[in-house]
Amino acid sequence: SQTIHQWPATLVQPVGSPLSLECTVEGTSNPNLYWYRQAAGRGLQLLFYSVGIGQISSEVPQNLSASRPQDRQFILSSKKLLLSDSGFYLCAWSQGAGNEQFFGPGTRLTVL
Amino acid sequence: DQQVKQNSPSLSVQEGRISILNCDYTNSMFDYFLWYKKYPAEGPTFLISISSIKDKNEDGRFTVFLNKSAKHLSLHIVPSQPGDSAVYFCAANGAGNMLTFGGGTRLMVKP
Repeated sequence: SQTIHQWPATLVQPVGSPLSLECTVEGTSNPNLYWYRQAAGRGLQLLFYSVGIGQISSEVPQNLSASRPQDRQFILSSKKLLLSDSGFYLCAWSQGAGNEQFFGPGTRLTVL
Repeated sequence: DQQVKQNSPSLSVQEGRISILNCDYTNSMFDYFLWYKKYPAEGPTFLISISSIKDKNEDGRFTVFLNKSAKHLSLHIVPSQPGDSAVYFCAANGAGNMLTFGGGTRLMVKP
């Protein structure tokens, strides 16, 4: 069966520090991968998606970036965090673009 | 431009009664609709879906209704249980594009 992992589960970082969140998927190959953010009291905002290794599409311009160095690995990064980057970050995968997505457990990021 | 809207940010229901969560969409190209349930500090989990060729899909206590002419779908939970308390997101897609999520509705089921 397929599983999706995210780490860390929680993270507290100072403004201006770098960020690296990792997501890995097991039990499937060539998945579509997604990064979402849920800000407090808000819905799910799609940040990035990837249909293959090295292929990243950005939905929202910001100081975050994403990379997919391996088929089942998706990384969310920032060189300098802003206060507004605080939120709950979710990784998801699907087989195909429009199909049901399966979400990871999420990472709660607090930028102070 | 929000293509998928959940106009009620929260809903409170008594245990045993029916919960009705609503979702409206604007894009007539959407042909597949899903509901997700999310507990605090966890990722959303898939609940139920419906294709545009149907107007109803039922799975146990959960039923999703689709009204294409009104571009409206709803999720019915009956009977509601305290464990159903969560944030519910509707999502839609069309032509193999990305899922578009609504803003979510927080359901509180009171014992």
